Amino acid sequence: EAQVTQNPRYLITVTGKKLTVTCSQNMNHEYMSWYRQDPGLGLRQIYYSMNVEVTDKGDVPEGYKVSRKEKRNFPLILESPSPNQTSLYFCASGTGFLEAGELFFGEGSRLTVL
Amino acid sequence: SQQGEEDPQALSIQEGENATMNCSYKTSINNLQWYRQNSGRGLVHLILIRSNEREKHSGRLRVTLDTSKKSSSLLITASRAADTASYFCAPRGSTLGRLYFGRGTQLTVWP
Repeated sequence: EAQVTQNPRYLITVTGKKLTVTCSQNMNHEYMSWYRQDPGLGLRQIYYSMNVEVTDKGDVPEGYKVSRKEKRNFPLILESPSPNQTSLYFCASGTGFLEAGELFFGEGSRLTVL
Repeated sequence: SQQGEEDPQALSIQEGENATMNCSYKTSINNLQWYRQNSGRGLVHLILIRSNEREKHSGRLRVTLDTSKKSSSLLITASRAADTASYFCAPRGSTLGRLYFGRGTQLTVWP
């Protein structure tokens, strides 16, 4: 089944404790992206990757890191999480992004930073 | 910004009625996409309309695009309770890698 898989789905952590949210897709998509969703603010793009070893900043990259060493994986790293990073995070992937841009989303990772 | 803005923010209708949601944007686009999100779940792509198209249908969905007014509408005909969700538009501009989402329209369909 074609899907984007995120882990963990739910996480409560404390300020400053490094964490990684993994994202994996099985559709051989070149393009992957991370969004965060907050009430009243909609979805905001954090980082994206057009292909392996190519990443770029979105609208809200501060406090986050990403890497794209393999086509299927695009982990989101919070080196020193803070409470303002409490949010619902979505990973998405797509193919033919230069032409169309339809995205497939994971089920989301709800992160709480205390 | 290439972000779309959906209107209304919330819409409440009875089953069987039609639901219309609107999207406005500010810059030129290559295409415009509509997505649906069930509460707290991942977004699901519904339909894509290219900048040279004016109308597109998919099942009970009808999307229109007016590039002169920089607006789009999504019509769901004969709504069902299962259509209850948030609906987002995403104008796709020329900036590679960027797809912007608005705040969405929360649709509630009452049985």
